[in-house]
Parts: sequence; C-alpha cells; structure tokens
Amino acid sequence: DAGITQSPRHKVTETGTPVTLRCHQTENHRYMYWYRQDPGHGLRLIHYSYGVKDTDKGEVSDGYSVSRSKTEDFLLTLESATSSQTSVYFCAISLVSGRGDTQYFGPGTRLTVL
Amino acid sequence: SQQGEEDPQALSIQEGENATMNCSYKTSINNLQWYRQNSGRGLVHLILIRSNEREKHSGRLRVTLDTSKKSSSLLITASRAADTASYFCAWSSNYQLIWGAGTKLIIKP
Repeated sequence: DAGITQSPRHKVTETGTPVTLRCHQTENHRYMYWYRQDPGHGLRLIHYSYGVKDTDKGEVSDGYSVSRSKTEDFLLTLESATSSQTSVYFCAISLVSGRGDTQYFGPGTRLTVL
Repeated sequence: SQQGEEDPQALSIQEGENATMNCSYKTSINNLQWYRQNSGRGLVHLILIRSNEREKHSGRLRVTLDTSKKSSSLLITASRAADTASYFCAWSSNYQLIWGAGTKLIIKP
C-alpha cells in the first residue's frame, strides 16, 4: 500500500464550473501522475509531476491544469468543466525511476459533469 | 489502437480453468507490466517483465514476452472467483507507460 488517497471520491458538477481533485500520498515519493479512465480507452495520462513545482503534460492535457506545492499533494484542476470530462480519475505514484516504473494507484474519483 | 491492443476484450470461464489474455504493442519497450482492476477500484500491479526476459512467474500467474512479435501474454492458472476483474497491460517505452484497453475476466462458479 503506497498510502495514496484521493478526494473527493465522487463529484457531480455542472458544465462551466471549476473543479479541483486532490491526490495525497504519505510516503514522499517523487513521481505522481493523473490519469483518466474511460470505457474502451484504458488509462490516458493527463499530467505528471517529477517533483515539487515540476510538472509536465501528458497525452490528454487540454482543459486540465495541475499544481504540486508540496511533495505529498498533487492537485488536478478543471478550470471550466465540460461534459467530455465526465470520467473516472486516478492518481498514481511511482517509487523509483520515473514514468516507466511500476505505478501504484489511488482509489479513483468518479466525476460527472452535467 | 495506434499503440497496441489487448485481446480478448472479455473472457468468461469456469472456476478452476486457466485464463489467458494477450497484449500487443508497436514500439520497442523497456518493460511490460500487468495490472488488475476490481470493479470500482484502483489498479493493482501484478507483475513486471523486462525486455530481456522471456517468462516470469508469480504464484498462479505466468507472463511471457516475445519482443520479436511485440506481444505478451498473461496466464492465470486454476482460476478462482476472486480473479474476476479487468486486466491491463502497460508497456514502458522512452520513460512513458502506455496502457492497453484491458480484458474483462469473469470467473463463473
């Protein structure tokens, strides 16, 4: 157990509203990731972080921003939510070498945008 | 998919039988990993096989890797009801982890 929690676990919001999802880890791992999971697509990387204030874009970053001001917290923000962002969002960490390493996942946040 | 695929998309077998799922990819890789996801939960890492390995075992799991065919298979022997889940492969290339779409496995009692 890599000690990863996500909040909220479920959220329903309306189109155009800002939404922030939080990922919290307890073991000071360097690498953190945000994915979205949609039927038929597996996991798609949104953004990742390789240290405090060090972040980079993944393959589906449009419409999302992230921040990491502390090692233990990685925030994902939807500035103006759209229905296409309805999805299940997973946070993950990797222990050692970065993006090709084994990843450990949080429990997920189910987001519905009406 | 432009990156690869998993098959079958779904598999339903009787408890006690073996389950095999396959993963194909299109790039050179550093390693290939398999994960399990129970309904409504996060993914759990099962096994990692490096590009210079051909076979790896972990309990009832057996993973093979054929880099010449750019494919991997996951075999679960003597399946149990608790093995019901979705299984995902992910391959590491250029420090990226790229994910397959998954195989949904149902074990019938």
